[in-house]
Parts: sequence; structure tokens; C-alpha cells
Amino acid sequence: QVQLVESGGGVVQPGGSLRLSCAASGFTFRNYGAHWVRQAPGKGLEWVAFIRYDESDKYYADSVKGRFIISRDNSKNMLFLQMNSLRPEDTAVYYCAKNLAYYYLDVWGKGTTVTVSS
Amino acid sequence: QSALTQPASVSGSPGQSITISCTGTSSDIGDYKFVSWYQQHPGKAPKLMIYDVSKRPSGVSNRFSGSKSGNTASLTISGLQAEDEADYYCNSYTTSSTPHWVFGGGTKLTVL
Repeated sequence: QVQLVESGGGVVQPGGSLRLSCAASGFTFRNYGAHWVRQAPGKGLEWVAFIRYDESDKYYADSVKGRFIISRDNSKNMLFLQMNSLRPEDTAVYYCAKNLAYYYLDVWGKGTTVTVSS
Repeated sequence: QSALTQPASVSGSPGQSITISCTGTSSDIGDYKFVSWYQQHPGKAPKLMIYDVSKRPSGVSNRFSGSKSGNTASLTISGLQAEDEADYYCNSYTTSSTPHWVFGGGTKLTVL
């Protein structure tokens, strides 16, 4: 079945870095764009980044622009989020999501938790 | 990149209908038909319920419907059931400044 599984979350100090991964299965990953979305504890959803199926376009939320980098490896069906200069306000559950018809997020992973704290 | 505006909470009794509003601007909801709605139960991943303003993905109950008027989108749930109790988020694509996606703040639906 169509599935996304995130990994790489953990506890990191402010200013540190972390790389999240998302393994895709059950569909032709290279044909679809993908997103990262996060949810701070007790808060709502916040869109973080998008990458087109062929990496030709990458877009970021203002809150992470210049610090986070989205990338993918279509040969391995993997999506990544490199997070640098982490701040306490980056603490959240991070979800990867598959793109539907460019504008929608139709399949979501279960999320991985990132905690930024000293 | 401002969030869309949703009511913090709505409630209804089993069998009733409720509507959740989602207000944006002429740069997002008002300018595009690319509005979607997501349901999230506690501790679970979000689930796509409505896309293209009013279309339902396969497997989503026809009790869920969507609409849009001007800068405001709406999600209506008819025949409320206990399992509908969840958080609901609207989302819109926008090209204001650079292309990006924006969520609403979320609405907690309580089935009384």
C-alpha cells in the first residue's frame, strides 16, 4: 500500500543540525512532488517546504528559508529535510506528505519528532 | 505568509450538520480554486478530506462537502457521527511573493 515513513528526529541543541528522511513505498515516487509539514506541540499544522518531482522547483516557508533544505533521491525513493541553525521554535512533529495534482497533500507519514532544547 | 482564519471550535449533536469556515485573502482562497481540507484525530497524521474546493478523495464519506465564496471556503459535515470528532484544517495554495501553501489555524469539532 502507499506509505511514507519518516525518521531522523531527535533532541538537538539550539544552533545544531538534523537531517530528516522519508521513505516512500507503494507508488512511483519519482512521479510526484512532496512536502514537509510540521506541527508544534499543541499547535496547528504549518507547511514547511515543497519539492517538485524532478527537483526543478523548491519552495520554503519564510520561517525556515535559508536554514532548511529539501531534497530527494528518486533512485532510492527517499525525501530529505536538512535542518540547520535550529531554534527552539522549530520543535515539532515533522510530517512528509505526497503531492496530489500539484496543489494537495494526499498521503501523509506518521511523523518524526524534533526537539530543540539545551 | 499569514495563516488562514478558522474558528477555534465548533460543536454539534449526532445527526446534525455543521459548517467550518476558512477565511483568507484575494491572494490565496479568493484567487485560486486550490483549497483543501484535512481531518486530524489526536496523535494521528492528517487525512485529506476535500480538494479542489469541493472534491472528495476515494473513500471519504459523502457527508463531507466543501464550497467557496469570495475569500472564504467552507467545510460542511452532515449527519454528524461520533467518529467525526477531530481537528480540521483548511489549506490553500498561493503565489503571493513566492509559491507556497498556507494552513488555517485549525478547528476542533466536538460531537456532543
